[in-house]
Amino acid sequence: EAAVTQSPRNKVTVTGGNVTLSCRQTNSHNYMYWYRQDTGHGLRLIHYSYGAGNLQIGDVPDGYKATRTTQEDFFLLLELASPSQTSLYFCASSDVRDWVNYAEQFFGPGTRLTVL
Amino acid sequence: KTQVEQSPQSLVVRQGENCVLQCNYSVTPDNHLRWFKQDTGKGLVSLTVLVDQKDKTSNGRYSATLDKDAKHSTLHITATLLDDTATYICVVGDRGSALGRLHFGAGTQLIVIP
Repeated sequence: EAAVTQSPRNKVTVTGGNVTLSCRQTNSHNYMYWYRQDTGHGLRLIHYSYGAGNLQIGDVPDGYKATRTTQEDFFLLLELASPSQTSLYFCASSDVRDWVNYAEQFFGPGTRLTVL
Repeated sequence: KTQVEQSPQSLVVRQGENCVLQCNYSVTPDNHLRWFKQDTGKGLVSLTVLVDQKDKTSNGRYSATLDKDAKHSTLHITATLLDDTATYICVVGDRGSALGRLHFGAGTQLIVIP
């Protein structure tokens, strides 16, 4: 089973602060994703990547940058954090070759970010 | 516009009771539908995936149905346990590969009490 880890698990910053959220997956998956989860909403896709150096824009990208440095590591960057970015952030990975299981996404435990 | 609606928003049942969670969606195309369990403070874990026009799956005490004509799915949990306390999330995939997009419901919060 895929292992996806995230750090930090909790982060508090101030408006205008600079934040980097980290994600690592150890199952050699091609695709990695960043989502945010807010009360009353389903998970919303921020950015995703299908390999090192690749970045694709998701559905709610404004205010976020991302970088995929290796197959294992995917980072989400908030360069000027705002209170509206207070949320629970999830990273996920999937194998593009996984047609049988409909490219199941494996999720990390989440990072709770609070922007004061 | 919300394309995946789950009901009820929250549900309290006593341990040992059965419960049914509903998912209605408007996603097109609807390639597959997956149910996830999200424990508090944890990531999402897949329970089952449904793919056929009218599909049924079973995974222990969890069973699910899908009717693509009605764009409706149910998740049944039998003989609930305290460990079933979690948020259950319905997700519709518009393709069968990682090239597709996933559309997430907001979840049903299930609380199982002794």
